[in-house]
Amino acid sequence: GQQLNQSPQSMFIQEGEDVSMNCTSSSIFNTWLWYKQDPGEGPVLLIALYKAGELTSNGRLTAQFGITRKDSFLNISASIPSDVGIYFCAGLATSGTYKYIFGTGTRLKVLA
Amino acid sequence: DTEVTQTPKHLVMGMTNKKSLKCEQHMGHRAMYWYKQKAKKPPELMFVYSYEKLSINESVPSRFSPECPNSSLLNLHLHALQPEDSALYLCASSQDFGRRANEQFFGPGTRLTVL
Repeated sequence: GQQLNQSPQSMFIQEGEDVSMNCTSSSIFNTWLWYKQDPGEGPVLLIALYKAGELTSNGRLTAQFGITRKDSFLNISASIPSDVGIYFCAGLATSGTYKYIFGTGTRLKVLA
Repeated sequence: DTEVTQTPKHLVMGMTNKKSLKCEQHMGHRAMYWYKQKAKKPPELMFVYSYEKLSINESVPSRFSPECPNSSLLNLHLHALQPEDSALYLCASSQDFGRRANEQFFGPGTRLTVL
């Protein structure tokens, strides 16, 4: 099925560092969701974005809805070991069947 | 409360067995979803129910049969599965489905192994 391009695919960072990841598409989206998934568990919703240019924070996490509506960004500040996991973006298309399209995921590994 | 519950947590079944996965939410959401997720891949949509009616079937084989008995419950009936159907099965819900669909909340998943 259709997927969003998410980068980087994986990253190792040192504890305390800031992390940035993004999702890009050739299509316009109405809504962006960011999830974190731990192994063997379901995705947990982190942040929801509804308007182009919107910047929303949840603790150390900040996400932005791109101005072009074709991309979104997630930043994690001062990473800690429990930030380890896979981060997925999901975009809601503006037309068609209104399904959420998922990104390919960014696997984050934090070195203590 | 933003909780979606799923049972069982783990399921092992043979190819001739019949089993069911169950999902429940009490957030008053009118849309419920089944996803299948393989290791290191994003969730893949299988079915969408909106107001207890099947809205989307992503060309899923008939050995998977969804059922929505009421607005809080969603079942997935399994019969004659193949080993390649082994995966994490995720249930999700949202307030609505369609242009104004908003946050989608996932359950913890059922880890299915088909022998």
